[in-house]
Amino acid sequence: DVKVTQSSRYLVKRTGEKVFLECVQDMDHENMFWYRQDPGLGLRLIYFSYDVKMKEKGDIPEGYSVSREKKERFSLILESASTNQTSMYLCASLMGAGANVLTFGAGSRLTVL
Amino acid sequence: SQKIEQNSEALNIQEGKTATLTCNYTNYSPAYLQWYRQDPGRGPVFLLLIRENEKEKRKERLKVTFDTTLKQSLFHITASQPADSATYLCALDPYSGYSTLTFGKGTMLLVSP
Repeated sequence: DVKVTQSSRYLVKRTGEKVFLECVQDMDHENMFWYRQDPGLGLRLIYFSYDVKMKEKGDIPEGYSVSREKKERFSLILESASTNQTSMYLCASLMGAGANVLTFGAGSRLTVL
Repeated sequence: SQKIEQNSEALNIQEGKTATLTCNYTNYSPAYLQWYRQDPGRGPVFLLLIRENEKEKRKERLKVTFDTTLKQSLFHITASQPADSATYLCALDPYSGYSTLTFGKGTMLLVSP
């Protein structure tokens, strides 16, 4: 089974801090994604990447950046965390050829105080 | 703009009954429609997908229908069990180039013993 591992399940940060959310997948997938999920708003795509060092903006990229230096690792960076970035962050990896079936990590619950 | 709608109210049913969840969409022509299950505090897990030229798909107690004329998918769980209690998300998949999924906000299913 594909495993998508998000290193931090729960984080508490202060406003203005730089935050790194790490995601690693173990199936050599080319495509990786970062979503945030909020009550009443559902899943919203922040950034995605189709290859190493490549990135594409999703629907809500403002306030975020990403890094994909190695194929298996996709990092989400909050340069200066704000309270409105308190959310559940979900990383996903694309299953492969055919339909765009996603394998998600367990999520990282970020609270910004 | 594209819109995907799932019933925001929780669906409460009794164990053993069939649960039916609805996914409606507008301004979209997906090649596939996918269903995911999400437990509280966890990432979504892929369940089933159905292609635009398929009317129905089954997997164990799960059945999905796809009506591209009505722009609607129905997700059925037969002989429901309390362990089926979760939030169910539908996702539209255009399957073209560097496309990404569009998720509905999900419907919570509660199965009582």
